[in-house]
Amino acid sequence: DAGVIQSPRHEVTEMGQEVTLRCKPISGHDYLFWYRQTMMRGLELLIYFNNNVPIDDSGMPEDRFSAKMPNASFSTLKIQPSEPRDSAVYFCASYLAGAPTDTQYFGPGTRLTVL
Amino acid sequence: RKEVEQDPGPFNVPEGATVAFNCTYSNSASQSFFWYRQDCRKEPKLLMSVYSSGNEDGRFTAQLNRASQYISLLIRDSKLSDSATYLCVVSSQAGTALIFGKGTTLSVSS
Repeated sequence: DAGVIQSPRHEVTEMGQEVTLRCKPISGHDYLFWYRQTMMRGLELLIYFNNNVPIDDSGMPEDRFSAKMPNASFSTLKIQPSEPRDSAVYFCASYLAGAPTDTQYFGPGTRLTVL
Repeated sequence: RKEVEQDPGPFNVPEGATVAFNCTYSNSASQSFFWYRQDCRKEPKLLMSVYSSGNEDGRFTAQLNRASQYISLLIRDSKLSDSATYLCVVSSQAGTALIFGKGTTLSVSS
């Protein structure tokens, strides 16, 4: 079975540019999470969806960040305009409520560098 | 106070050693507890869930003390392949955000 798919795997951009990160969750999973990992702060939740509806976006740093989930198989995280402090690895994870293994499955991440 | 605190290490041990990692969490309402493993430049992957009664999976033993809000992971007979960062993780309920510690780095040498 395909796991969580993220694209691009690496992104280098200049300050002020728009960045769009993409995620395809595991088929049938009803929760989708976006996390960000930095050396300073570790892994932190940005936002999560249940059945395509945003449930908690309290971790979104500021208005420059937005996330959408137009359908059960696709989500985007957009940063506009990007800043150097946004440089991090962004992970998407999906989860199936009630599954025997109570765990979130992570994608390989997008490594973002903002110059 | 951080929600989940871990000793960052690094722990440098020889093959065959036994090593223990500890973790404390601040939210007494936490319901689910896990250890994740993260290899360099890879995504976190579930190592094991942690249950109140304690649980074992091969060389790995996890324990939970709800009263002290303390979680531990014991690795016996360390292998080179155990070298990784071990993340202590809690959540308040299934289907909600995972709260991660910053991880403990383990390096096993021959």
